[in-house]
Formats: sequence, C-alpha cells, structure tokens
Amino acid sequence: LAKTTQPISMDSYEGQEVNITCSHNNIATNDYITWYQQFPSQGPRFIIQGYKTKVTNEVASLFIPADRKSSTLSLPRVSLSDTAVYYCLVVTGAGSYQLTFGKGTKLSVIP
Amino acid sequence: NAGVMQNPRHLVRRRGQEARLRCSPMKGHSHVYWYRQLPEEGLKFMVYLQKENIIDESGMPKERFSAEFPKEGPSILRIQQVVRGDSAAYFCASSPTDFYNEQFFGPGTRLTVL
Repeated sequence: LAKTTQPISMDSYEGQEVNITCSHNNIATNDYITWYQQFPSQGPRFIIQGYKTKVTNEVASLFIPADRKSSTLSLPRVSLSDTAVYYCLVVTGAGSYQLTFGKGTKLSVIP
Repeated sequence: NAGVMQNPRHLVRRRGQEARLRCSPMKGHSHVYWYRQLPEEGLKFMVYLQKENIIDESGMPKERFSAEFPKEGPSILRIQQVVRGDSAAYFCASSPTDFYNEQFFGPGTRLTVL
C-alpha cells in the first residue's frame, strides 16, 4: 500500500476554511484515497473517499489532482467541534479491510 | 440503529492477568475488525473476522493474543498474561461486507496494565 505523508498538526480560527494536504507518491491505479476523523477518546469516523478530481459531501470536500500523488481535504468554516485528528488513508479497490493509519494531522480550532 | 458497542470502556489489569475485550458489531454487520492504538500513534490492524471464521490475523502478535467471533454473541479479543506493553486503546470496527468503503468504529476499550 502507498505510504501517506501529512502535517503533524494545524491550527485554525473558527469560521475559516481548513485544507489538509496528504502526499501519496506511490499510489496504485486501483487505490482510493479515504479520510477518517478521530475525536479524543473515540473511534475514527469515515469522512470521505475519492478516486480523482473532486468529491463533496455534507461534511467536507476532497480534491485529487490528475496525477493522484496528493490529495487535499477541505473543511469549510470550521468550528470548535472540528478539533480532532484527521487521517489520510490509501485503500486498495473500492474497499479494503486492512486500514493503515498513520499518525494523522491534529487540527486545533481556536475561538 | 445502535452503533458498534465495546465493553468494558476501561480495563485495568495487573501483569500476568488475562484481559477480555468484547465487541458487538452494528446490526446487520457480519464483518469485524480489531485495531490497537498506542498513545500518539495511529491505529494498527490486528485481525479480521467473520462469523466463526478468522479471515486475516496478520497483525496479531503470535503469542498471548487471540480473537473469536462466535455464531452467537459478541466478538472477543483475548490477551493472556498481559504485560505493560499491552497498555493501549483497542478499537473494534464492523462493516456489512468485506469490500466496503467504510468501517464503523466503536468507542474503544482502554487497557491499562499495572
């Protein structure tokens, strides 16, 4: 599986848009990019998954350039409740049972 | 529809004792996964089970750790003769099928070994 690299931490003020970029240089043709969110003392929660271009849901947007070597998770107008760790994962095919989590990006939203 | 349930939420054991962690998947889910998270680290895959079958245990330590998912009842992760290095958060996840784009995680069991 392709290794992912993302910033260790980010700070943002409430109401701002936050973009978290993830590098996955060795992504394979069959791989998808998936993001999970984890609040303290809770299990991770699926946010969004994409293969190429742009995917949007009620929580976030995911931007994937044509070469697919990186991706950007965009959180619009963050609030204090968005303070969490965000994990970028590369999964094989449309789903993969063995999820590989890195250390993630710890997002701190400041009032 | 209740989510994935894990119990206990916190478990304290002394070195050498046994730890039993339980996981009830979401209703309608027959695929269960266990992960371990050390402090300040990401989750590491341990084992994947379906009812009465272990599909992949490549992430499980070879000794002292075992998992089961019986026909009836919750999935159990069992750690025998615990050591301090076993202290971690253990998460269970479930999905309705194996190749599915989302795993649903429980709240975890935090094991502390004294």
